[in-house]
Amino acid sequence: EAQVTQNPRYLITVTGKKLTVTCSQNMNHEYMSWYRQDPGLGLRQIYYSMNVEVTDKGDVPEGYKVSRKEKRNFPLILESPSPNQTSLYFCASSFIPSGLAGGTDTQYFGPGTRLTVL
Amino acid sequence: GNSVTQMEGPVTLSEEAFLTINCTYTATGYPSLFWYVQYPGEGLQLLLKATKADDKGSNKGFEATYRKETTSFHLEKGSVQVSDSAVYFCALSPDNYGQNFVFGPGTRLSVLP
Repeated sequence: EAQVTQNPRYLITVTGKKLTVTCSQNMNHEYMSWYRQDPGLGLRQIYYSMNVEVTDKGDVPEGYKVSRKEKRNFPLILESPSPNQTSLYFCASSFIPSGLAGGTDTQYFGPGTRLTVL
Repeated sequence: GNSVTQMEGPVTLSEEAFLTINCTYTATGYPSLFWYVQYPGEGLQLLLKATKADDKGSNKGFEATYRKETTSFHLEKGSVQVSDSAVYFCALSPDNYGQNFVFGPGTRLSVLP
């Protein structure tokens, strides 16, 4: 089954304790992205990756790191979490259509990770 | 820059009512346009999409037409059901390299029996 998986689904942690949220896709997609969803703010992009070893900042990258060492995995790292990073996080992936100057195709989303930082 | 504007929610309708959720966008070139739906406690799922002007996307009774002249992609359904209660996001994918998906703020729909 084609899917994007995230782990953990729920996490409660304390300020300053490093954590990693994993994301994996089995569709051989080039493009992967992390979003956070907050009430009243919709979806905001944190980081994205156009391919292995190619990552770039989205709209709200502060306090986050990512890596893309393999095509299927795109972990999100919070080196020193703070309470303002309490949110619902989504990973997504898509193809980059050939023949276009850029852009991405339909994004497929993981089930979400609800993070609480105390 | 690119942006997507959606009508403010929440929207509350009775079952079998007609639904319209307005979406307008700002983008250069020829973006692809999408509607995603998020059911309670779940991630976003693609509802429908259109990749060029005048295309109509449709799925599960929902429709939206890509109108370049009005830069709009309004979502419609003729008869909503309780099971359609969810948050709906309009989004665009630019056609320029390095630019990314842009989501609207979402519109919460509640359908009452």
